[in-house]
Amino acid sequence: SQQGEEDPQALSIQEGENATMNCSYKTSINNLQWYRQNSGRGLVHLILIRSNEREKHSGRLRVTLDTSKKSSSLLITASRAADTASYFCATDAGAYGQNFVFGPGTRLSVLP
Amino acid sequence: DSGVTQTPKHLITATGQRVTLRCSPRSGDLSVYWYQQSLDQGLQFLIQYYNGEERAKGNILERFSAQQFPDLHSELNLSSLELGDSALYFCASSAGDSPPPFNEKLFFGSGTQLSVL
Repeated sequence: SQQGEEDPQALSIQEGENATMNCSYKTSINNLQWYRQNSGRGLVHLILIRSNEREKHSGRLRVTLDTSKKSSSLLITASRAADTASYFCATDAGAYGQNFVFGPGTRLSVLP
Repeated sequence: DSGVTQTPKHLITATGQRVTLRCSPRSGDLSVYWYQQSLDQGLQFLIQYYNGEERAKGNILERFSAQQFPDLHSELNLSSLELGDSALYFCASSAGDSPPPFNEKLFFGSGTQLSVL
């Protein structure tokens, strides 16, 4: 079963708008990561937030983590057409904490 | 460029056949992960190796096997292929040298697109 579940499955916005994606997970985690995948390409790491952190920023990205609700959100501000991609959250699982489990992803379309 | 190299980029084969996918991790990375991505199953974790030894196992079929060699490159062997094995197979690597709880990010290769006809 999936550890992380992104919501919404698909999101379409205009350039300049903000995009918010959510991720829910089921079990305790050490960290949560967000990745981006352009169509048919490999995933690219965006940001990692540790379980003892509540918010993290990287450029136009803002990630929040609420361990009590087992949820995270990724906010992309002032979106650009180049942000069009699928976004995945990944949580660590397994005995060694490195069995990263990915959710099904959110497909973001940024229209010019 | 992530620094992770996967070959071949595309592979077309027939049912019942066996194929080998190859992955060279980023220089210095000790951990290698294999993932399968398909439209209906999403991104599924298959297996992880650390410095030559299997560390974690996910939804890997018995028909599939993998290994990591002393030079740290890894191979994923898929045998008795079925139509449903058609997917994009990704290799990822991480440094693997962090203490628990690790908190390491993964670097993904560009994948091998496997088509089983």
